[in-house]
Amino acid sequence: DQQVKQNSPSLSVQEGRISILNCDYTNSMFDYFLWYKKYPAEGPTFLISISSIKDKNEDGRFTVFLNKSAKHLSLHIVPSQPGDSAVYFCAAGGTYKYIFGTGTRLKVLA
Amino acid sequence: NAGVMQNPRHLVRRRGQEARLRCSPMKGHSHVYWYRQLPEEGLKFMVYLQKENIIDESGMPKERFSAEFPKEGPSILRIQQVVRGDSAAYFCASSLDRGRGADTQYFGPGTRLTVL
Repeated sequence: DQQVKQNSPSLSVQEGRISILNCDYTNSMFDYFLWYKKYPAEGPTFLISISSIKDKNEDGRFTVFLNKSAKHLSLHIVPSQPGDSAVYFCAAGGTYKYIFGTGTRLKVLA
Repeated sequence: NAGVMQNPRHLVRRRGQEARLRCSPMKGHSHVYWYRQLPEEGLKFMVYLQKENIIDESGMPKERFSAEFPKEGPSILRIQQVVRGDSAAYFCASSLDRGRGADTQYFGPGTRLTVL
């Protein structure tokens, strides 16, 4: 039972354009959400988080949107850069036990 | 600015041997979490520890796996009598304090275990 889903295994975007990565969850008890970026042979790197009391959080080129009624969150990266090419994981939880999605591989084309 | 440290980065074991994976949390962090990632899958929670206490081990297999976080020294994830299905990347994360809400977890580089 996959409580956190990233339905797009891969995404290609031109440099300078917007990248939108999506994540859906099923458990309405989740109230804290995180995005991580992962390069091959490295650990996940924290990018940005959002709590359920907000619907948007922004940090530089990264913005996370949360739609609680749809149980959906998205990560926007603008402008996309070649160095953003990595696998992106969303994670959802309420305390410490985060459920991770299976990841979306983003490729930013120069 | 030391992050979460894990060693070894790569570990090869034969079936039936023991694997010991070490994790030193970020400075000032007292909460440690272990996750496992199988190929083409997301990270799966295994166990949450504080110093000298296992808080939640609901994600740990019931047999052969154990974890500790002693008062001094790193956290250890121990896998006894390894089998091929244990081959995976094992990630450790740490956080500062559970406090009033959820905490951001910061990950180490992982240990890639290969069981021959």
